[in-house]
Amino acid sequence: AQKITQTQPGMFVQEKEAVTLDCTYDTSDQSYGLFWYKQPSSGEMIFLIYQGSYDEQNATEGRYSLNFQKARKSANLVISASQLGDSAMYFCAMRAGAQKLVFGQGTRLTINP
Amino acid sequence: DAGVIQSPRHEVTEMGQEVTLRCKPISGHNSLFWYRQTMMRGLELLIYFNNNVPIDDSGMPEDRFSAKMPNASFSTLKIQPSEPRDSAVYFCASGIEQFFGPGTRLTVL
Repeated sequence: AQKITQTQPGMFVQEKEAVTLDCTYDTSDQSYGLFWYKQPSSGEMIFLIYQGSYDEQNATEGRYSLNFQKARKSANLVISASQLGDSAMYFCAMRAGAQKLVFGQGTRLTINP
Repeated sequence: DAGVIQSPRHEVTEMGQEVTLRCKPISGHNSLFWYRQTMMRGLELLIYFNNNVPIDDSGMPEDRFSAKMPNASFSTLKIQPSEPRDSAVYFCASGIEQFFGPGTRLTVL
């Protein structure tokens, strides 16, 4: 069975600092994909970044990067130069085998001015 | 592209009534997913379709829930009869990348 664990229920970060959101996963599949989504208070789910298990380079998308450590089964999201608008819930998810995603419980990030 | 479109955005109904949620996926996407989000259970996959065919409906809570995808551009999720515990945000997502729609906030009184 696939499982995603996000151990940080909440995080508080000062504006302009970098922030790392933790995500560990468990799967016996060799081929899988890892996703991060942002959910602001308005409720929509915004796709941020994707990492495939066979990708050798860490995925990057603007201020977002995914620190993929396959041996440790971790896929942490790094946000550089945080902004007030980054305050939101962040979900890590995994797709393994079938197309469906399994989500973690989320981390609530608060950026302080 | 308008992205994934869901309607209605908000639905308030009384226990026992039928509820129909609608989704229009992004054009060209072959897969469509229905998720439910609650505080207690987080995000759960209810069902997903590939090329309009239901592939995995193991997440559908019970027989009161049904989903259809009559064509590549439209899907419905129906709850009949609805119960207060069905209150949640229901998301539709499309494509391998799983782009989400804005969600339907359902409240069953």
